[in-house]
Order: sequence, then C-alpha cells, then structure tokens
Amino acid sequence: EPEVTQTPSHQVTQMGQEVILRCVPISNHLYFYWYRQILGQKVEFLVSFYNNEISEKSEIFDDQFSVERPDGSNFTLKIRSTKLEDSAMYFCASRGILNTGELFFGEGSRLTVL
Amino acid sequence: DQQVKQNSPSLSVQEGRISILNCDYTNSMFDYFLWYKKYPAEGPTFLISISSIKDKNEDGRFTVFLNKSAKHLSLHIVPSQPGDSAVYFCAAVLETSGSRLTFGEGTQLTVNP
Repeated sequence: EPEVTQTPSHQVTQMGQEVILRCVPISNHLYFYWYRQILGQKVEFLVSFYNNEISEKSEIFDDQFSVERPDGSNFTLKIRSTKLEDSAMYFCASRGILNTGELFFGEGSRLTVL
Repeated sequence: DQQVKQNSPSLSVQEGRISILNCDYTNSMFDYFLWYKKYPAEGPTFLISISSIKDKNEDGRFTVFLNKSAKHLSLHIVPSQPGDSAVYFCAAVLETSGSRLTFGEGTQLTVNP
C-alpha cells in the first residue's frame, strides 16, 4: 500500500541552526501538507502546497519556515533558525484530488531543539 | 484555537463493549468531520468521516454520528477490541480551505482484554 515517508525520524539540533525535514508523498497525490504536534498539545496545521506554491499557511508558519518541492518526489520543510519552541513532531501529509479531508500522514519527524 | 474540542483525554472500556468518543465544535461552516486514529510513533491514520449534510455514517464496527444543532459528533466502536487502543482525534475541515484540518486534543482509548 502506498505511503508517505519522512526523514529523518528524529533530529536533534542546536538553537539557531537550520533544519530540513524531508517527505516523499504518495506518488499520484497533488496536495501536500505539513502539520506539527508539540508534546501534549493538538496537531496543528502549518502549510498546504499545491501546484508548486503555498496555497494556505497558518500563523505559525512565519518567515523562519519555508517549503519546497525540489523535484518530482520530495517535499521539504525548512526551518531557517530553530528556536526551542520549534521542538515538536512534524507530520507530512498528502492527498489526491477529492477534498473530503482525508489526508495520508507520514510517521513524523521528531525535532528536538537544544 | 478552540474550534474543535475533545473534553475527555482518556477512556477505558472492556473488550467487546461499546466505546463512545465525543467531540464538540464551534464553527457551523465545517463541511466534513473526520476521525483519525494514532498509534505511538506513527502518524495519524484516517478512520471514518461524515459530511455535514448527513447525521450518520457507518463502516464496519465504526459509526460516526453528527448532531448539527448541538455541534456535536461522536464515534462509536462496537465491539471494542484491544487493537483499538490508540489516541483518537476528531477533526473538521472547510471545503474551501483546501483540506486544512482543525484537530481536537485527542482521546486516549484503552480497551482492556
């Protein structure tokens, strides 16, 4: 069964460092997302991406964040200068054409900022 | 952001009995409501959804009920199985938002053998 894959599964970084989280969405999907879950809190929407551009972003997704689809398969989230409060589990998700809210999530990348 | 709320952080039931997970929302414009299940160290997995124009949707052991006047939905699992033990997230989406899901806090369901 096709699945969304994410790397790395866990990254530890120093405050102020740049981090890139990688995702390979399901191959025939067209819509891509990043969500995050800070420990003990809700899963929160960060950004959606379609047709090589951001279609929607939340207030969390400030100038320190960027997304890119550098080739036909990868979808990346970059945090330019990490802060302690960026420590969270980051989930990539994708979906096909139908917009019923059903997203396919990856297993997540745990980011720990020290 | 309190648009979707799950007031019960945990629920424990016996195997074979019914599990009822509840969710409340405030935005009457939501088009779809969904339940996701999450095991530790995994991403959320879609379980079942319901359109805002319906009041019930059933898929095997899982049934979701929507009460629009009360802005309340619930997930019934019957019979419950130990493998159902997971965190269950309620989520809602506006069709115009491009599948931006608004999640509840989650309820940890434990099904005891």
